[in-house]
Amino acid sequence: EAEVAQSPRYKITEKSQAVAFWCDPISGHATLYWYRQILGQGPELLVQFQDESVVDDSQLPKDRFSAERLKGVDSTLKIQPAELGDSAMYLCASSLGQGSREQYFGPGTRLTVT
Amino acid sequence: AQSVTQPDIHITVSEGASLELRCNYSYGATPYLFWYVQSPGQGLQLLLKYFSGDTLVQGIKGFEAEFKRSQSSFNLRKPSVHWSDAAEYFCAVDTSGTYKYIFGTGTRLKVLA
Repeated sequence: EAEVAQSPRYKITEKSQAVAFWCDPISGHATLYWYRQILGQGPELLVQFQDESVVDDSQLPKDRFSAERLKGVDSTLKIQPAELGDSAMYLCASSLGQGSREQYFGPGTRLTVT
Repeated sequence: AQSVTQPDIHITVSEGASLELRCNYSYGATPYLFWYVQSPGQGLQLLLKYFSGDTLVQGIKGFEAEFKRSQSSFNLRKPSVHWSDAAEYFCAVDTSGTYKYIFGTGTRLKVLA
């Protein structure tokens, strides 16, 4: 069964350092999402891509966060500089697009900022 | 604004007992509704979904959910819980037509042997 891949699974970094997360969606899925999940809460959307284009990044803290999906396949989410409050699980999800509303999630990257 | 409420933060049930997890949403029309399960340190797995039609939907792992328009609810049920069902459960809605989810805060399920 096809799955969404994410790496790394765990990341510990010091505040003010840069950190990057990678996501490879299910093959053929046009829509890709990055979510942030703070412990004890539900996921919150950071950015949504349709192919290589950003559809919604209204909740992305653009002063420190950036996301790209250059060839419309895999994607990278970057934080620079990391802050203590960025400690969270970062989840990637993908969807077929073309009217499909089911999202399929990867295992996530657990970020700890010290 | 659209919102999703899961009123129970924690629920504890005995193995073999029945389960109902509550979800209420705030939206003018019928949204697209989902239940996901998350095991510790893992991503989310889709349990079931409701788009239209029959208001009782069946999902994986023996779960079902019932959509009640009059109550703006989409409660998740299972007749007999197994120890492996211990996890966190999230209700999500897609309301805006832009294929974005709003998640509830989740319900953590503990199963007693």
